[in-house]
Amino acid sequence: AQSVTQLGSHVSVSEGALVLLRCNYSSSVPPYLFWYVQYPNQGLQLLLKYTSAATLVKGINGFEAEFKKSETSFHLTKPSAHMSDAAEYFCAVRNSGNTPLVFGKGTRLSVIA
Amino acid sequence: EAGVVQSPRYKIIEKKQPVAFWCNPISGHNTLYWYLQNLGQGPELLIRYENEEAVDDSQLPKDRFSAERLKGVDSTLKIQPAELGDSAVYLCASSPGGSRSYEQYFGPGTRLTVT
Repeated sequence: AQSVTQLGSHVSVSEGALVLLRCNYSSSVPPYLFWYVQYPNQGLQLLLKYTSAATLVKGINGFEAEFKKSETSFHLTKPSAHMSDAAEYFCAVRNSGNTPLVFGKGTRLSVIA
Repeated sequence: EAGVVQSPRYKIIEKKQPVAFWCNPISGHNTLYWYLQNLGQGPELLIRYENEEAVDDSQLPKDRFSAERLKGVDSTLKIQPAELGDSAVYLCASSPGGSRSYEQYFGPGTRLTVT
């Protein structure tokens, strides 16, 4: 069975500082991995996805993530945090094919001016 | 293109009352999902449709929840009767087929409060 663990339910960074949100996955087959962002009272928006191509994936809003098979990780980073990045971030995994997304519990990112 | 549309955005009902949520997916997306998102948690799949067929409803509490997707486009999720524990956000998502079947696009959700 697939699963996702997001380390840290709440991360706080200063504006301009590095953002690092951690995600570890468990999957018996090569996974597809995703990061979604959710702003208050809105649905989830896809930030980026890994689908077995390049291991370093670039997404929207300056975010990127690196797939590391040896560490079963897919951490999300951004070099310089902006106030508008404050939101809830979800890591998700699915097998290839039409299987359901399995989400982590989310990490709330706060950005301090 | 227009995104996934859901209505209502907010609903407050008393326990034991029925409630229904509506979803209109992105045009041309054959796959439709309903998710439940409890406070402080990630979404959990309730049901998945391929066109009008429910292909995965293993997590849908069938004693009180029902869903339909007539004509393979819009979908309705119903709860009857609602319980206090049903208070949550109900998200609808849709997905294109073919090589992009792994992409899911989410609507804004319906926030249900049961009092």
